[in-house]
Amino acid sequence: AQSVSQHNHHVILSEAASLELGCNYSYGGTVNLFWYVQYPGQHLQLLLKYFSGDPLVKGIKGFEAEFIKSKFSFNLRKPSVQWSDTAEYFCAIQATSGTYKYIFGTGTRLKVLA
Amino acid sequence: NAGVTQTPKFRVLKTGQSMTLLCAQDMNHEYMYWYRQDPGMGLRLIHYSVGEGTTAKGEVPDGYNVSRLKKQNFLLGLESAAPSQTSVYFCASSYTGDRGVFSNQPQHFGDGTRLSIL
Repeated sequence: AQSVSQHNHHVILSEAASLELGCNYSYGGTVNLFWYVQYPGQHLQLLLKYFSGDPLVKGIKGFEAEFIKSKFSFNLRKPSVQWSDTAEYFCAIQATSGTYKYIFGTGTRLKVLA
Repeated sequence: NAGVTQTPKFRVLKTGQSMTLLCAQDMNHEYMYWYRQDPGMGLRLIHYSVGEGTTAKGEVPDGYNVSRLKKQNFLLGLESAAPSQTSVYFCASSYTGDRGVFSNQPQHFGDGTRLSIL
């Protein structure tokens, strides 16, 4: 069965600290991978996506993610976080065969202290 | 450009009451989705639609009905609300993409509807 695990449920960082949020998935076939961000009181927005090609993907606002196929991981990184990065971050996968259904992780709440 | 608009934004219901949540998108997307977001459970797909006049069940469809009479609107109905349906509901839409039942294009989300059932 497909599943997405985000092991860090809550993360608290100071401004300028580096960020890495873990995302591991379970699926035997090829997947598309996404990171979405939900700022307080707002809707989910696409941060970055991976379909194929270079496994290091750069997204908006200085975020990047690396797809490591052998580890079934798609961790999100940012070298230096800002207070405005306070949000909830969701990892999602989509199978590239069958129904192409999306599966979302449970989310990681990031709080950045000014 | 409004994107995906959900109404209402907040609602409190009593057990047994019915209501309809409206989702409207102005991007001419074929695909539309209804999710519920619960603490510690991420987003779970309730129902989806791959085009006007079509609907299908997602992961957690029980207790909900949907309709897609117009391409731009996707309605989610609760016929007899239960406390277990207290949640935040998100609508999303996407382009068709190049294959598959679900689109491989990113989804665009609405701001959500916070629903409480007493």
